[in-house]
This record gives sequence, structure tokens and C-alpha cells, in this order.
Amino acid sequence: QVQLVESGGGAVQPGGSLRLSCAASGFPFSKTDMHWVRQAPGKGLEWVAFMRNDGSDTSYADSVKGRFTMSRDNSKSVLFLQMNSLRTEDTGLYYCATNRGYYAVGEWGQGTLATVSS
Amino acid sequence: QTVVTQEPSFSVSPGGTVILTCDLRSGSVSPRHYPSWYQQTPGQAPRALIYKTDTRSSGVPDRFSGSILGNKAALTISGAQAEDESDYYCMIYTGSHTWAFGGGTKLTVL
Repeated sequence: QVQLVESGGGAVQPGGSLRLSCAASGFPFSKTDMHWVRQAPGKGLEWVAFMRNDGSDTSYADSVKGRFTMSRDNSKSVLFLQMNSLRTEDTGLYYCATNRGYYAVGEWGQGTLATVSS
Repeated sequence: QTVVTQEPSFSVSPGGTVILTCDLRSGSVSPRHYPSWYQQTPGQAPRALIYKTDTRSSGVPDRFSGSILGNKAALTISGAQAEDESDYYCMIYTGSHTWAFGGGTKLTVL
């Protein structure tokens, strides 16, 4: 079955960086477009970033554009989110998720928590 | 920036029917927005319910249905059960491989 396991979260000061990873298994990762979605504590879901299966196209929410970079290693079935110039409002649980086609999210990981605080 | 609005909360009696809606502040929701719906219970990752307006994801009970009602996307739960008490989020495709979630609706079954 589909498994998505995020890691790399932690505590960092404002202006710092984190690199999140998502290990994928149970589906053809190299043929699957992927998303990152985040959720601030006690708040709703926010779409963060999207990448095509071959890495040819990437898009970002305005709130993270220019600071976050999504990438992937299809040979190892791993998805990444490099987060730079972090702000307190970037605090939250970060989920990686598959794109199921028809412009929707399919399967979700359990998330990794990033905390930005001084 | 696209703003997607949902009712903050809703209550339904067990066995009752409830319609949750998803609206675009800047205009109407249409099938070209490919509205999708997700269920999230406390402490859990979201789960996909509906995609492409009205198609149920695998394993989703048929008491959940999606539609366009007027100028909004809608999620109908017919015959609500206690286990349906969750947060529900809609997601709208906003073009150029960007998306926006609504603020979510907290559904209480009592």
C-alpha cells in the first residue's frame, strides 16, 4: 500500500533553514506528481507546493515563493522541501501527498512538524 | 490571492443530512475548478473523499456525495453517523498548477 513518511522537521529560529524529506513506497513514485501541504497548529490546511513527476514543473503558494524549493530524487523515491528564510508563520505540520489526477490530492503522509520560534 | 470560504461549523443529528459548501470570494465555483473534499479527524492526516466535483475516492461510503449547487461546490452527507464528526476541507484548482484550500468546516454529529 502507499506509504509516505516525512522527516526533517524540528525547531529553528526565524531566518533559519530546514530541509524536509518524504520517503515514498507502494506506488510508482517516478510517475506520480506530488504536493506539500501544511497545517499551522489548530488551523486549516494550506497548499504549499507542487512538482511534476519528472521535476519539469514546480509551483508554489505566494506565501512561500522565493523561500521554499521543492525537489525530488526519483532513483530513491524521495521528495524534498528546502525551506529558507523561515518565519514564525511557517510553523506547522508539513504533509507530503500524492497528486491523484484530476487536480486533487490522493494519499497523505502523517506529517513532520516544523517550529519556527526565537 | 484566491480566497475559498466554508462554513466554520455545522451540526447535524445522527441519521440526518447536511450540506457543506465551498465558495470563491471572487466568483463562482465551477467544474473547471475541479473541487475536491477531504476529511480530517483530530490528530490524523487528512483523507481524500471526493475529487473532480462528484467522484468518490476508493472506499468512501456512498452517503458522501459531491456536487455544484448554484455557484458553490457542495459536500452532502446523507444519513450522518457519529464517525462522520470531523473537519472537512474543500480544495479548489486555481490554475497553473496552484491550489487553494477553504478554511474548513467543523462538523458535529449530535
